[in-house]
Amino acid sequence: AQSVTQPDIHITVSEGASLELRCNYSYGATPYLFWYVQSPGQGLQLLLKYFSGDTLVQGIKGFEAEFKRSQSSFNLRKPSVHWSDAAEYFCAVGAPGSTLGRLYFGRGTQLTVWP
Amino acid sequence: DAGVIQSPRHEVTEMGQEVTLRCKPISGHDYLFWYRQTMMRGLELLIYFNNNVPIDDSGMPEDRFSAKMPNASFSTLKIQPSEPRDSAVYFCASSSGPSAAQYFGAGTRLSVL
Repeated sequence: AQSVTQPDIHITVSEGASLELRCNYSYGATPYLFWYVQSPGQGLQLLLKYFSGDTLVQGIKGFEAEFKRSQSSFNLRKPSVHWSDAAEYFCAVGAPGSTLGRLYFGRGTQLTVWP
Repeated sequence: DAGVIQSPRHEVTEMGQEVTLRCKPISGHDYLFWYRQTMMRGLELLIYFNNNVPIDDSGMPEDRFSAKMPNASFSTLKIQPSEPRDSAVYFCASSSGPSAAQYFGAGTRLSVL
């Protein structure tokens, strides 16, 4: 079965600094990959997704992620963080061609932004 | 589109009472998922449906939990009897296909006293 690891439970950055959140997955083939963001008291919002093609994926709110097959990674990046980016971020993986339909989520990374 | 709609947003009840959470998926989505989120256990998949049929309920914690999807636009998650350890945020999500992006509702925060 697929699995997702987000090695960093909590990351703190200063506003305006760059950001990279790590995500590693376990799957035998090229998976579908997703990043979600959850603000306090809210549901999970889809930031971006990778199905195939260009390994650099652009998302909403200025985020991007890069799929690296050799490293089984799908790290999320943003060149300049805003205070409103403080939230919890979840990476998720799905299996192409599977009829099962479920996604596997990581445990999340909590992002704190200092002014 | 209105997105996934959950009700109620907050529910406070006493131990032993029945609790019913409701979800309306995005129109045209044929997969519906119920999740539970707690600080201790993170985001857990409880059960999911495809075309109104339960596909995997292995995440349902025990027989006190049940879920139904009587039609394509409505699902319920019921806890009977409720216990304090059921206190959590319950999310519903829907998607348009297997392994497609899931879209989440705002959640129901349940407190069992």
